[in-house]
Amino acid sequence: SAVISQKPSRDICQRGTSLTIQCQVDSQVTMMFWYRQQPGQSLTLIATANQGSEATYESGFVIDKFPISRPNLTFSTLTVSNMSPEDSSIYLCSVRLRRIPPYEQYFGPGTRLTVT
Amino acid sequence: QQPVQSPQAVILREGEDAVINCSSSKALYSVHWYRQKHGEAPVFLMILLKGGEQKGHEKISASFNEKKQQSSLYLTASQLSYSGTYFCGTQGTSNTGKLIFGQGTTLQVKP
Repeated sequence: SAVISQKPSRDICQRGTSLTIQCQVDSQVTMMFWYRQQPGQSLTLIATANQGSEATYESGFVIDKFPISRPNLTFSTLTVSNMSPEDSSIYLCSVRLRRIPPYEQYFGPGTRLTVT
Repeated sequence: QQPVQSPQAVILREGEDAVINCSSSKALYSVHWYRQKHGEAPVFLMILLKGGEQKGHEKISASFNEKKQQSSLYLTASQLSYSGTYFCGTQGTSNTGKLIFGQGTTLQVKP
C-alpha cells in the first residue's frame, strides 16, 4: 500500500468561502480520485484528478464548484468553492497505485468539513 | 447505477458468521470491498476481478460471480474488531478506476 495524507483533517468554514484540501501520497500513483461522503451516507465520486490536465467530473459535479489540480503523480488538491451548509461532508482522496492488476485502491484519512 | 447491498444491518455475537451481498445491474470489471469504522476512512479489504475467483485472508473471504454481477463477502468466526460499515465498490467494464459504492451494510459484533 501507500501512505496517503490529507490536509486539513477537519475545518469549520463560513458560508460563501472556499477551502482547498490537499492530498499527498508517498509514492507515485497511476490514478487519483476525489470522493464525498455526506453524513451517514455512502461514498460518491466527485472526479478523477488527471495529471497535467483538467479533471474529469461525474454527473452533478462541476469544475466551478470543485476545481481540482494534479500537478504531478503524488499530489492533488480539491477546492470547495462558495460553500453552503449542504457542502458539509467528508472529502476523501483515493489512489490506484499500479498499472497492473489487481488494481487496489486506497483512501486517504479524509477531510471533515463543516459549513456554518 | 448504485449497487445494492444486503442486508442493510446485521448484529452478531462473537464467533458467528455473516455474509454481505452486493448486486449490480450492470456488467462489472471488478468489485472492491472496504470496511469503515465510525469517524475513520474506509479501509481496503480486497478486490475481485472478473473471472469468478474467490479471495480471502484469515477469516474474511469474498466471491464474485460476474455472470450474475454479484459479489459476496464472508466473515467467519467474527471478532469484535469486525464491527463497522462494509461497502462494496463496483467498477464497470471499462476499468477506468471509477468506483460506484453501495449504500453500506452495518455490522455490529457483540461479546
